[in-house]
Amino acid sequence: GENVEQHPSTLSVQEGDSAVIKCTYSDSASNYFPWYKQELGKGPQLIIDIRSNVGEKKDQRIAVTLNKTAKHFSLHITETQPEDSAVYFCAASKTGNQFYFGTGTSLTVIP
Amino acid sequence: DAGITQSPRYKITETGRQVTLMCHQTWSHSYMFWYRQDLGHGLRLIYYSAAADITDKGEVPDGYVVSRSKTENFPLTLESATRSQTSVYFCASTGAGGGETQYFGPGTRLLVL
Repeated sequence: GENVEQHPSTLSVQEGDSAVIKCTYSDSASNYFPWYKQELGKGPQLIIDIRSNVGEKKDQRIAVTLNKTAKHFSLHITETQPEDSAVYFCAASKTGNQFYFGTGTSLTVIP
Repeated sequence: DAGITQSPRYKITETGRQVTLMCHQTWSHSYMFWYRQDLGHGLRLIYYSAAADITDKGEVPDGYVVSRSKTENFPLTLESATRSQTSVYFCASTGAGGGETQYFGPGTRLLVL
C-alpha cells in the first residue's frame, strides 16, 4: 500500500515568518493530495488540496507544491499568525476511497 | 446545519466489552469512513462505505465491525474491546469517490481499561 512520510514532526516559527511542511509518498499512482489542519479537540479540516495534473496551488497565505517525479509535496504558509498554530496532516490517495495520512506536524507560531 | 456528528464524544470501557461508536451525517454523502488517530501514526483508515449496504476494509480493520443500513449512519462496533483499541476515532464523509473533500466529525475519545 501507500506510505506517506511527513517532516518535521514539530515546527516553531516567529509570527510573520513562513512555515514549510514536507511530505513524500511511495505510490506513483496516487493523484490527489489534500492537506488538513487539526485544532485541539477537533476533527481535521481540509485547508488546501492538489491533484497530480497541477504543480502548484495557492489560496491566500497557503500554497501547496507537488513534484510527481520526486514523489513529494509541500505545504507553505506565509506571514504566519498565532491562529495558524495547529497540527497539520498531509494525505495521498489514488482512488478517492482510501486516503493515507502522514503522521502530522505540530506547528507553533510564537507571537 | 449539523453536518457530521459522532456519539459519544468520550467513552471509558473495560477489556472484553462491546462498544459501538455512532456517526451521523446530514448531507446524504455517499461515502463514509472510520479512522483511528494515534500518536506517531497519524490517521489510519479502519473501514469505509461507498453506499448503504456496501462496506470495505481499510488499513487496520481487525477487531472492528461496521454496518450501513441507512446512508446517513455508519456505526463502528468493537465486538470485544482491547487496550490497544484505546484511541481517538474519527468519522468522515465525502460526496463521491475520486478526490472529493473529506469532512470529519469531532471525534470520539475511547479509553479501554
